[in-house]
Amino acid sequence: KQEVTQIPAALSVPEGENLVLNCSFTDSAIYNLQWFRQDPGKGLTSLLLIQSSQREQTSGRLNASLDKSSGRSTLYIAASQPGDSATYLCAVGNNFNKFYFGSGTKLNVKP
Amino acid sequence: GAGVSQTPSNKVTEKGKYVELRCDPISGHTALYWYRQSLGQGPEFLIYFQGTGAADDSGLPNDRFFAVRPEGSVSTLKIQRTERGDSAVYLCASSPPDDRHEQFFGPGTRLTVL
Repeated sequence: KQEVTQIPAALSVPEGENLVLNCSFTDSAIYNLQWFRQDPGKGLTSLLLIQSSQREQTSGRLNASLDKSSGRSTLYIAASQPGDSATYLCAVGNNFNKFYFGSGTKLNVKP
Repeated sequence: GAGVSQTPSNKVTEKGKYVELRCDPISGHTALYWYRQSLGQGPEFLIYFQGTGAADDSGLPNDRFFAVRPEGSVSTLKIQRTERGDSAVYLCASSPPDDRHEQFFGPGTRLTVL
């Protein structure tokens, strides 16, 4: 069974800092990897999707990378803002449309 | 366009009762997923539909849980004889019929079993 781990569990940074969130997975036979943000009491908002054949995806201040062989993905957030405060979740998908989530990283960006 | 919708947003029930949770996916999305999320945890896979059929129900915890999608659109998650341990947020997601399998989530239903 795929195990997904996200480190750190929580992170607090001052506004303007660049930061990296980590996601690791145990089975490298993945189909894709998707990063989400979740605001308190809300559903998940898709941020970036990386197919298994890709190495990275970018959207605005966000950049996600994927290294399948080492079982790792990172989400890089540039010039963080208080509005980025949320929980960030990583989900790894296999060839049979089954997705495994990490427990998330709770980010707090202080003004 | 409209996103994934889930009703009710909150459901409080008593132990032993039956509940139904509804998911309305994005129009045209053929894949539909149900997840359960406990406090401080990531979503846990329950079941996946492709069209009307359950392609993978390996995440359903026991036979008290059942889900249907009779017309390939709206899905209902049914929980019989609810237990306090069933209390969680139940999330639904859908994906379009392409090779990306990108998931789009609804706001969830918070189920509380007293």
